[in-house]
Amino acid sequence: KQEVTQIPAALSVPEGENLVLNCSFTDSAIYNLQWFRQDPGKGLTSLLLIQSSQREQTSGRLNASLDKSSGRSTLYIAASQPGDSATYLCAVIKAAGNKLTFGGGTRVLVKP
Amino acid sequence: GAVVSQHPSWVICKSGTSVKIECRSLDFQATTMFWYRQFPKQSLMLMATSNEGSKATYEQGVEKDKFLINHASLTLSTLTVTSAHPEDSSFYICSGPDTGSSYEQFFGPGTRLTVL
Repeated sequence: KQEVTQIPAALSVPEGENLVLNCSFTDSAIYNLQWFRQDPGKGLTSLLLIQSSQREQTSGRLNASLDKSSGRSTLYIAASQPGDSATYLCAVIKAAGNKLTFGGGTRVLVKP
Repeated sequence: GAVVSQHPSWVICKSGTSVKIECRSLDFQATTMFWYRQFPKQSLMLMATSNEGSKATYEQGVEKDKFLINHASLTLSTLTVTSAHPEDSSFYICSGPDTGSSYEQFFGPGTRLTVL
């Protein structure tokens, strides 16, 4: 059974500092991995998707890497801003059509 | 990215009543949709997989007679919470996948249900 872990559970940084969020999964046989952002009381916003054949994806200040063999993904957010404060979730899927398996999330606070 | 809408965004009801939540894919067709519930400060818990034109698949421990799912078309799935009780109060979120090669999942904004 796939298990996804996110460490740390919470993170507080001053504005301008780079953020590093970690995600690990126990079964390396994944189809893709997605990073999401969730604001309080809101749904999930897809940030980046990395397919199993890819090593990384970038969008603006966000960069996500994937190391399937070690079961790890890292989300980097450069030059953090207070607006980056949110909960970040990673999730993996075993095959197209299957359900997502989520990590517990990392709650990020960027202090002005 | 693709857009998923939910209606209503919040609902308050009396114990014993039924509540229907709609999930629509606005710019893509979804043969499959997923329903989740989320308690405060917890991650999402998958309740069921909704399949267009066939019965939903429920996760272990989820009562199918209490949480009725109907996926009547390629753009609409509904979740009905029957005979709601205060313990059903939660945040319900649906998602639909892009069935292209990436299978990226897109989530609705969620529905906050409060049962008095």
